[in-house]
Amino acid sequence: NAGVMQNPRHLVRRRGQEARLRCSPMKGHSHVYWYRQLPEEGLKFMVYLQKENIIDESGMPKERFSAEFPKEGPSILRIQQVVRGDSAAYFCASSPYAGVYGYTFGSGTRLTIV
Amino acid sequence: SQQGEEDPQALSIQEGENATMNCSYKTSINNLQWYRQNSGRGLVHLILIRSNEREKHSGRLRVTLDTSKKSSSLLITASRAADTASYFCATDVGSSNTGKLIFGQGTTLQVKP
Repeated sequence: NAGVMQNPRHLVRRRGQEARLRCSPMKGHSHVYWYRQLPEEGLKFMVYLQKENIIDESGMPKERFSAEFPKEGPSILRIQQVVRGDSAAYFCASSPYAGVYGYTFGSGTRLTIV
Repeated sequence: SQQGEEDPQALSIQEGENATMNCSYKTSINNLQWYRQNSGRGLVHLILIRSNEREKHSGRLRVTLDTSKKSSSLLITASRAADTASYFCATDVGSSNTGKLIFGQGTTLQVKP
């Protein structure tokens, strides 16, 4: 069991470009969560997805950010027209059931906007 | 103050000593969880304590929960240099039990060999 796989580990984008972050949950986990961590801060919830459904996106900025978790393939967090303030570490976590067990986190994607 | 605030922000101890970190929160919770994060890495789940539990143990870890005071503590006994990391408490406050967590700012623990 390879755990939660995130790629890429590091991503550099110029302002105005698009960033795509991928997350493959642990085998058997159908609940995926995305969090963002700014330097020296805790994690901030962004979105919670189950297969093909967005359950809670209350932490997602209204513009430029979107997430999906298709029937086949990894979950994708997409940031369009990136700005300097999007620079952060983005973590994905998965769980077999919501609210019952702790999460398994991936190693994160460090996004740098230049 | 924010939901899930840890105290202290930073803690430095000698190997072999015990480390205690505290977490306070504001709203009612389904459960409270503690995570460890080594520098530049993802978070590792340590322990989950449900709202109807008062104490839980896992190896050298002991977690308490006082829902009347809306606080929790994490005790690491006989600390090791490898325990050096940031520790976060996270509260599951979702009324629909979605598993959405609110994280605190963390306590940075340094264990000196």
